[in-house]
Amino acid sequence: AQKVTQAQTEISVVEKEDVTLDCVYETRDTTYYLFWYKQPPSGELVFLIRRNSFDEQNEISGRYSWNFQKSTSSFNFTITASQVVDSAVYFCALSAERNQGGKLIFGQGTELSVKP
Amino acid sequence: NAGVTQTPKFRILKIGQSMTLQCTQDMNHNYMYWYRQDPGMGLKLIYYSVGAGITDKGEVPNGYNVSRSTTEDFPLRLELAAPSQTSVYFCASSYSKGGAGDYNSPLHFGNGTRLTVT
Repeated sequence: AQKVTQAQTEISVVEKEDVTLDCVYETRDTTYYLFWYKQPPSGELVFLIRRNSFDEQNEISGRYSWNFQKSTSSFNFTITASQVVDSAVYFCALSAERNQGGKLIFGQGTELSVKP
Repeated sequence: NAGVTQTPKFRILKIGQSMTLQCTQDMNHNYMYWYRQDPGMGLKLIYYSVGAGITDKGEVPNGYNVSRSTTEDFPLRLELAAPSQTSVYFCASSYSKGGAGDYNSPLHFGNGTRLTVT
């Protein structure tokens, strides 16, 4: 079975704090992709990053960074120096080789609230 | 470039009514999807299509139907609306080369349709 677990339902931080959103996935496939999407209060889904299972390099994009560890089946997302505009629901998602058609399996989402 | 367009944005249905949620994309993507998002939950796949004339069930297909007569359009049909179908519906599309190609390109989502069944 394939599954994505985001154990943190809600996180609240004060602006400028660093915050890490956890994502743990399950799959038996050796080839798979992991994604993060952001859903701001306006409701749309914004693609943030895609990683394939063969690339465990961490990635940094501005204040965002991602830590992919196959040994623990985790793909965590860190926001450095958080800002109020980062307030959103963040979804981790998995797409695997057996999952024909590029379908994404989503975690439950983590609602991040950044207070001024 | 409009991307993925969903209509309507909001709709209220009475139990037993039917309706079609429209979805169209102008990116020439071959893959299209319908997801539903319930409060506090992630997105669950209803149906998907890998090309015109081909559709398949996702995780929660009961109570819905789809068709894919063109590459651009992927409407979702609710035949007998039930309160359990109150949700936000997202249409998405992606590009795949097929075969051993880049079959897992990022999904592009529409802005969603908020449906209430009372």
